Amino acid sequence: EVQLVESGGNLVQPGGSLRLSCAASGFTFSSYEMNWVRQAPGRGLEWVSYISSSVHIIYYADSVKGRFTISRDNAKNSLFLQMNSLRAEDTAIYYCARHNYYEHYFDYWGQGVLVTVSS
Amino acid sequence: EIVLTQSPATLSVSPGERATLSCRASQSVGSKLAWFQQKPGQAPRLLISGASTRATGIPARFSGSGSGTEFTLTISSLQSEDFAVYYCQQYNNWPPWTFGQGTKVEIK
Repeated sequence: EVQLVESGGNLVQPGGSLRLSCAASGFTFSSYEMNWVRQAPGRGLEWVSYISSSVHIIYYADSVKGRFTISRDNAKNSLFLQMNSLRAEDTAIYYCARHNYYEHYFDYWGQGVLVTVSS
Repeated sequence: EIVLTQSPATLSVSPGERATLSCRASQSVGSKLAWFQQKPGQAPRLLISGASTRATGIPARFSGSGSGTEFTLTISSLQSEDFAVYYCQQYNNWPPWTFGQGTKVEIK
């Protein structure tokens, strides 16, 4: 069974940093592209970042470019999101989401972790 | 960036009735459109990919249609567990991967 479990969410002050993790199991993690998607309270879904299976290709949404860094450790079946210079508008539930192996839609999602940016 | 517009924002339907949800793309996405269901406090769940292919375990009452810029998700006979928010997502032109703003299906 595919499982994605996020951790690392917390309350952080504006300008602060946080590192999210996503532990993957039930599939060959190193073969799959991965993403972070967020959802602000009461709002819709916003794609945040993408990383290829081999780490060679990375993309970011304009709203986080230069502040967030996606990475992965295939040996540990883990995905990460380093978030710096956090702003109030970064407050959201952050989901890790797996790319389908053949197509570029998101087929499995974690349960999400809450990041609150507030003083 | 491709913008997806979903309508209506809220759909009030009685159990057992049919629900029809729309998703319009600002430019053609071919058949590269997925639908997700999200219940309160839960992660999104994949329902449909390729505009019309149901994901594993998704009941046959869910069907998707369309191509290019106009897409529809139909729930043929609403069950109590189907009341949720539904999102469309395009994966034809990326990055960014974009989502519609969602349609809430509520009990009438």
